[in-house]
Amino acid sequence: GQNIDQPTEMTATEGAIVQINCTYQTSGFNGLFWYQQHAGEAPTFLSYNVLDGLEEKGRFSSFLSRSKGYSYLLLKELQMKDSASYLCAVADSNYQLIWGAGTKLIIKP
Amino acid sequence: ETGVTQTPRHLVMGMTNKKSLKCEQHLGHNAMYWYKQSAKKPLELMFVYNFKEQTENNSVPSRFSPECPNSSHLFLHLHTLQPEDSALYLCASSQDVGTSYNEQFFGPGTRLTVL
Repeated sequence: GQNIDQPTEMTATEGAIVQINCTYQTSGFNGLFWYQQHAGEAPTFLSYNVLDGLEEKGRFSSFLSRSKGYSYLLLKELQMKDSASYLCAVADSNYQLIWGAGTKLIIKP
Repeated sequence: ETGVTQTPRHLVMGMTNKKSLKCEQHLGHNAMYWYKQSAKKPLELMFVYNFKEQTENNSVPSRFSPECPNSSHLFLHLHTLQPEDSALYLCASSQDVGTSYNEQFFGPGTRLTVL
C-alpha cells in the first residue's frame, strides 16, 4: 500500500528553528509537496521537490532524499503566525497526490 | 485568497436532507477535485474532473454525487448522509492532471455536520 508518515504534533519556540519530517512509501514518485493549513482555512502551497537536495525559499526550506523516501520542511526564525498544520503529499506513478495526515505545529512565545 | 471559493462555509443537515456544496475557481484551470478532510486523517480524494469529465472516483458512496457543468464550477450533491460523513469538504483546482508539477489550489472548505 501507499503510505506517508509525519509526526502528529510538534511544539517549538518563537524565533527558533523546527524540522518537520516526512517519510513515504508510494508506487512511483513524481514529486513531493508541502502545504500549510491554518485552522479553518484552505491548505496553501509551500514547496515542491522532485530532485534530491535542498530548496530554500525565505525562512522555509524543503529537503528531499528519494533513495531514503524522506523529506523534511525546515522553518527558521519561527513566528507565531507559523502555528498551523503542515501537510506532506507525494505524487505517485499516476500523478495522484497521496497525503500525510499533517503535522500540527504549535509555536510558544 | 487562493482563487477558489466554496459555499456554504458551514452546513448542518439531517440524515434525510438533500443539500449541495458549490465550488468555483477563477484561475482558468482545467482540473477540479473534491477532498474529504477528517480530523487527524490524511486528505481523502473523492472525485477528479478534467475538462468537465470525471477521471477519478475513489469508491465514494453513491450518497455523494458530483456535478461539473464547466471547468470553473463543481458541485457535490448530498443525500441521506450518515453522521460519519461529518467532515471538512475541500475543493481544489489545478492547471491539468497527469503532470509532475501539479500544484493544487484549495478553497476554504465547507464544514459539514450530519445530525
